[in-house]
Amino acid sequence: EVQLVESGGGLVQPGRSLKLSCAASGFTFSNYGMAWVCQAPTKGLEWVASISTGGGNTYYRDSVKGRFTISRDNAKNTLYLQMDSLRSEDTATYYCARLVRDSYAQWGQGVMVTVSS
Amino acid sequence: DIQMTQSPASLSASLGETISIECRASEDIYSNLAWYQQKSGKSPQLLIYAASRLQDGVPSRFSGSGSGTRYSLKISGMQPEDEADYFCQQSYKYPDTFGAGTKLELK
Repeated sequence: EVQLVESGGGLVQPGRSLKLSCAASGFTFSNYGMAWVCQAPTKGLEWVASISTGGGNTYYRDSVKGRFTISRDNAKNTLYLQMDSLRSEDTATYYCARLVRDSYAQWGQGVMVTVSS
Repeated sequence: DIQMTQSPASLSASLGETISIECRASEDIYSNLAWYQQKSGKSPQLLIYAASRLQDGVPSRFSGSGSGTRYSLKISGMQPEDEADYFCQQSYKYPDTFGAGTKLELK
């Protein structure tokens, strides 16, 4: 069974950093592109970043370029999102997702990030 | 960015009723469209990919159709467990974009 378990969320002040992790199991992690998708409270879904199977190609939405870094450790079956210079508008639940045929086939349970002073 | 306009924003259906949700893209997305269901307090689940392909394990009462800029999700026979938010998503061009969602309730 595919499982994605996020961790690392919490309350952080504006301008500070946070690193999210997503532990994957139940599939060959290195064979799949992965992504982070967020959802602000009572709002819709918003793609944040994606990464290719080997990690060599990364893609970001404009609002996080230069502040967030997506990475992966295929030996540890883990996806990461380094979030720097956090802003109040980054407050959201962050989901990691497995990409299959350009769709988000499986999602983690989500981790809440709150940016507030 | 490709804009995804989803309608209606909310919908109330009776048990067994057939309903449709529409999604319109701001440009041709060549069937690179997926539909997701999100129940209250849960993470989204993939229902349909490539506009009309049913994800493994999804009940056959769910179906997707469309092409070009116009797509739809149909539920043939509303069930209580179908009460949820539904989102469309295009993957034709970065950034991937989602529709604003449709809240489906049981009447």
